[in-house]
Amino acid sequence: GENVEQHPSTLSVQEGDSAVIKCTYSDSASNYFPWYKQELGKRPQLIIDIRSNVGEKKDQRIAVTLNKTAKHFSLHITETQPEDSAVYFCAASIYGNKLVFGAGTILRVKS
Amino acid sequence: NAGVMQNPRHLVRRRGQEARLRCSPMKGHSHVYWYRQLPEEGLKFMVYLQKENIIDESGMPKERFSAEFPKEGPSILRIQQVVRGDSAAYFCASSPPETGMENTEAFFGQGTRLTVV
Repeated sequence: GENVEQHPSTLSVQEGDSAVIKCTYSDSASNYFPWYKQELGKRPQLIIDIRSNVGEKKDQRIAVTLNKTAKHFSLHITETQPEDSAVYFCAASIYGNKLVFGAGTILRVKS
Repeated sequence: NAGVMQNPRHLVRRRGQEARLRCSPMKGHSHVYWYRQLPEEGLKFMVYLQKENIIDESGMPKERFSAEFPKEGPSILRIQQVVRGDSAAYFCASSPPETGMENTEAFFGQGTRLTVV
């Protein structure tokens, strides 16, 4: 089955700097790659997603890139702010909402 | 639209008791997915249900766990004879019927935090 690895497990950046989180997946049939932000005690919330027919997608300060050949995708957050501090999860999906999640990255933005 | 509703938000059970977790999907949604999140880990897929049908239960433990989504009412995740290792946050997500197997945004509920003492 699908396996998703995520790095780093923790990331500390200074406010205003960029943050990059990387994920790799194993199943070439995966075709949908969402990123979720989860604050302590709350539900995961979708922040951006990308499908396998697209190489890059951007939404304001957030961007995601996908390399299907290498089977990896990355989340880029620019101009980080303290409110970006949270746990971020990547995921891969072959169908519907059946998602395989990475282990998560704790992002701390220091002001 | 009230979103995906889960209850209870917190549930405490003694070892050996049964836990029942409920998930009401968003209005008009007929597909429900259950996930489990152990402390400081990512979410793990458990089961995918449509009304009155289990479509994919490849992530469900073979014993003590069961799920249903009746024609009327919420989806229920039942854990019998709970053990300490069942302590986790359980999330459900829903999607509309027309999506079928197509990838769409998963709308998660607030989760039920189960504590087994």
